[in-house]
Amino acid sequence: IAGITQAPTSQILAAGRRMTLRCTQDMRHNAMYWYRQDLGLGLRLIHYSNTAGTTGKGEVPDGYSVSRANTDDFPLTLASAVPSQTSVYFCASSKTSGSHEQFFGPGTRLTVL
Amino acid sequence: GQNIDQPTEMTATEGAIVQINCTYQTSGFNGLFWYQQHAGEAPTFLSYNVLDGLEEKGRFSSFLSRSKGYSYLLLKELQMKDSASYLCAVTDSNYQLIWGAGTKLIIKP
Repeated sequence: IAGITQAPTSQILAAGRRMTLRCTQDMRHNAMYWYRQDLGLGLRLIHYSNTAGTTGKGEVPDGYSVSRANTDDFPLTLASAVPSQTSVYFCASSKTSGSHEQFFGPGTRLTVL
Repeated sequence: GQNIDQPTEMTATEGAIVQINCTYQTSGFNGLFWYQQHAGEAPTFLSYNVLDGLEEKGRFSSFLSRSKGYSYLLLKELQMKDSASYLCAVTDSNYQLIWGAGTKLIIKP
């Protein structure tokens, strides 16, 4: 693979179900991010990781959890999905946090019914 | 609070020039990014400004005034493929990106 990938591409999920969105990058970037994008609201940061083994909360972390066991992978878990989590989710990575450009994955379109 | 403002939508003609403005109020400033996002796709990096002034990259230029909390993206010789949303984002004092809602640019022939 080259760059950053996400899986699945899209998913329809029943409310109350657990779901993990996967994200993998092969650029050896230290920092990784999860965003959600909703119409008219722009990108909102859910969680981030500045380096493997560390994570932090973004603007809208409630209902989501992440882990960063290694440099390449940064999965996002919805423990018990709710309809308000219907959104497009983007994973991104950058060489370090802050002043470096972020590279985005293709996104996961999630619908919670 | 932290806030980034940009127009919701703009329309321009193929071959023309368009300027997309962005104003920001953030806790600290460590740089400003512009990204392009085509419908249904991921954002892609266009430019980065950390010092005042104009940065030119082909048909695209980006300007920054830190004292005014203001930036603009200038697109010249517009092409139909430039129809997209343009996102302004500011790195705050915690080195996190704060994003504007984006400006949808519609190019007409």
